[in-house]
Amino acid sequence: QKEVEQNSGPLSVPEGAIASLNCTYSDRGSQSFFWYRQYSGKSPELIMSIYSNGDKEDGRFTAQLNKASQYVSLLIRDSQPSDSATYLCAVNPSGGYNKLIFGAGTRLAVHP
Amino acid sequence: GAVVSQHPSRVICKSGTSVKIECRSLDFQATTMFWYRQFPKQSLMLMATSNEGSKATYEQGVEKDKFLINHASLTLSTLTVTSAHPEDSSFYICSALREVAKNIQYFGAGTRLSVL
Repeated sequence: QKEVEQNSGPLSVPEGAIASLNCTYSDRGSQSFFWYRQYSGKSPELIMSIYSNGDKEDGRFTAQLNKASQYVSLLIRDSQPSDSATYLCAVNPSGGYNKLIFGAGTRLAVHP
Repeated sequence: GAVVSQHPSRVICKSGTSVKIECRSLDFQATTMFWYRQFPKQSLMLMATSNEGSKATYEQGVEKDKFLINHASLTLSTLTVTSAHPEDSSFYICSALREVAKNIQYFGAGTRLSVL
């Protein structure tokens, strides 16, 4: 069973703080990793994609990948109340033909 | 980002009827689309992979005769829930694979199905 694990939260952070979201995956052969944001009642929207070990930065967001530890994270700097949502980690498993396996999501609450 | 349109956004139907949901990629061609289902407070579960010009590939446990998928063109895939029952009530979301963009999936807005 190829799995993606996330802490369901809620993760509560004050406005302006750094939010750190974590994800582990079981399939060591996975090659592509994605973070999606999902507001309540809406569909997911892509935040970041990462394919190689290390950090990838895009504005206030930084994705970190460590394939040896089978771990991917998302940092949100200067968190805003509008960042409050569920963050889904998604992994393209080996032999997955572009399928995505989603984690259960971490609910982030940014309070003023 | 790429635009994927999904219609209808919400549908309420009686038990036993069939419901068709459309998924269109508006600004790119998608040979591959995906259909997901999401129950409240749960994550997305992949139902099937829709391939243009060929049969869909269903995930284990998904009834292909109940969830009919047609991908007749490079921009349109449809999901038909046949003989819907209350337990089929869920949030159905499609995505389109944009191959030129490192195979990123772009999602439609979703369809909330309520079966009475």
